[in-house]
Amino acid sequence: SQKIEQNSEALNIQEGKTATLTCNYTNYSPAYLQWYRQDPGRGPVFLLLIRENEKEKRKERLKVTFDTTLKQSLFHITASQPADSATYLCGTTTSGTYKYIFGTGTRLKVLA
Amino acid sequence: DTAVSQTPKYLVTQMGNDKSIKCEQNLGHDTMYWYKQDSKKFLKIMFSYNNKELIINETVPNRFSPKSPDKAHLNLHINSLELGDSAVYFCASSKVGGLSYNSPLHFGNGTRLTVT
Repeated sequence: SQKIEQNSEALNIQEGKTATLTCNYTNYSPAYLQWYRQDPGRGPVFLLLIRENEKEKRKERLKVTFDTTLKQSLFHITASQPADSATYLCGTTTSGTYKYIFGTGTRLKVLA
Repeated sequence: DTAVSQTPKYLVTQMGNDKSIKCEQNLGHDTMYWYKQDSKKFLKIMFSYNNKELIINETVPNRFSPKSPDKAHLNLHINSLELGDSAVYFCASSKVGGLSYNSPLHFGNGTRLTVT
């Protein structure tokens, strides 16, 4: 079945470093991937979208890459801050459907 | 203005009861969804509606019945609640759905359901 996986359940990094989160997909080729941020007690909030024909997308300190050979998207936060601590989810639709699926999420903690 | 709002925020009830969660979006979106997030934070799709029509029913027990009276509302009614129904339920909407489009999902802040 079509799946999205985020390898790390949790990631701790020091303030100022670059956080890199991974999203892998299996058994299909999504046309795009989206990344969301979820804070405790809140719903996920959309951050960035990258299409399959785009290698890289940036927004302020955020960067997303999409490697169709490796079937993987990487999400980077540069110059990380404690306020970046949250759970980050990748998601997309399965082939030809309205079914948005999400990875299991990575809980990022940026240590001051 | 809240874009996607859900009520109630918390719901504590006993096994066997019937309860409803309401969702409204003021974004003018065509597609609405219900997701269930379990204790491990995995977000699993339950239902998807497009223009008031059910598009996705993701093998959810028929104790769960969504209803969309109009494009802006998608309610979730749950009959005969069980302990395993305890979770956070999120409503979401998007401008359009489907693979050809890539409009992001807008989520409500969730309803935490606890069944005792």
